[in-house]
Amino acid sequence: QKEVEQDPGPLSVPEGAIVSLNCTYSNSAFQYFMWYRQYSRKGPELLMYTYSSGNKEDGRFTAQVDKSSKYISLFIRDSQPSDSATYLCAMSANTGNQFYFGTGTSLTVIP
Amino acid sequence: SQTIHQWPATLVQPVGSPLSLECTVEGTSNPNLYWYRQAAGRGLQLLFYSVGIGQISSEVPQNLSASRPQDRQFILSSKKLLLSDSGFYLCAWSVGTGRNFGPGTRLLVL
Repeated sequence: QKEVEQDPGPLSVPEGAIVSLNCTYSNSAFQYFMWYRQYSRKGPELLMYTYSSGNKEDGRFTAQVDKSSKYISLFIRDSQPSDSATYLCAMSANTGNQFYFGTGTSLTVIP
Repeated sequence: SQTIHQWPATLVQPVGSPLSLECTVEGTSNPNLYWYRQAAGRGLQLLFYSVGIGQISSEVPQNLSASRPQDRQFILSSKKLLLSDSGFYLCAWSVGTGRNFGPGTRLLVL
């Protein structure tokens, strides 16, 4: 079983829709959870960072962590064409060097 | 603010040729540095990481090597490229949790 599972999509939504992106994981020791956005042919950029369980909101983006279900989500409200990218989840158990990425979900927001 | 540079942006190399990719970080001291490879549909694969000058840890056995000659410089090398070395190579740095990625180098081995 992979450490982190992420549906690759592709996901296509109309502009203004609410987008839900998800990852599941198997290691209950994970405490640090991140979402990255990667535009085509660019490096990933950190979008959201969450420690342990709960929600975190930043503008149109909300990250949720449910450690009991080993499930994390990223919600994008009022999606824009500029949100079209691949979104990768990432997580780790500590601040060391073991860092696990999902394979990414490709999102297209249609104007 | 911190900035990470990678070059070249794109590289086309014949099988069997050598490789040298360079990464430099500005605006931070003593960062942990990482080399990742990203292949389509396979996510990010950690190749090497370094916690200091001359200190390299390899995560995946392969024909690639890495060196850290200076605090903010990280180099990925190969003596003889294979077709399977094609991919998108990303350098990253961290201070604590998280990874901050560079713009990447797209390598095509023919």
